[in-house]
Amino acid sequence: GQNIDQPTEMTATEGAIVQINCTYQTSGFNGLFWYQQHAGEAPTFLSYNVLDGLEEKGRFSSFLSRSKGYSYLLLKELQMKDSASYLCAVRVLQRGGGNKLTFGTGTQLKVEL
Amino acid sequence: GAVVSQHPSRVICKSGTSVKIECRSLDFQATTMFWYRQFPKQSLMLMATSNEGSKATYEQGVEKDKFLINHASLTLSTLTVTSAHPEDSSFYICSASDEQFFGPGTRLTVL
Repeated sequence: GQNIDQPTEMTATEGAIVQINCTYQTSGFNGLFWYQQHAGEAPTFLSYNVLDGLEEKGRFSSFLSRSKGYSYLLLKELQMKDSASYLCAVRVLQRGGGNKLTFGTGTQLKVEL
Repeated sequence: GAVVSQHPSRVICKSGTSVKIECRSLDFQATTMFWYRQFPKQSLMLMATSNEGSKATYEQGVEKDKFLINHASLTLSTLTVTSAHPEDSSFYICSASDEQFFGPGTRLTVL
């Protein structure tokens, strides 16, 4: 099976930078996704990594190290609207073909003034 | 705009009734759709993978006779919760082929 760990909660200040870590143990790794989810809404795609390194997209960046089973999501210039749950999800290649996503429990980020 | 839609967005029903939730891909054909369930303050849990023209693949612990999935076309998958009970109350979310796009979710409350 898959095991995905991320911190339950984090608090940061508006304008600051925050890093949300995710560690995973899985077989058949085929990519890692980060999503943002506001309460009562569906997840919104933020980033995707399948090779090692950093992917940057505006205020959001995501890093992956496959050998360490480790990823992080970096949020810069935090805004109040960034207060949300951030979900790390691992895509696994299934026997017989096809992929499936397994989600971490999510990190609830609170941005304060 | 949204590329995956779900209907209804919210449903309240009595215990013992069946509820059907639709998931549609709007601008593309989806041979595979995924159904997730999310309980309050928990993460998304994959329930089943819906394959167009064939039987769905259910995750361990998910009763296939209770959660009926039909993927009759390349743009529509349906999830029917049969004989719903209060413990089935949850947020049901679908996604289509590409993991970038999720439907807006359906909030099911069973009284």
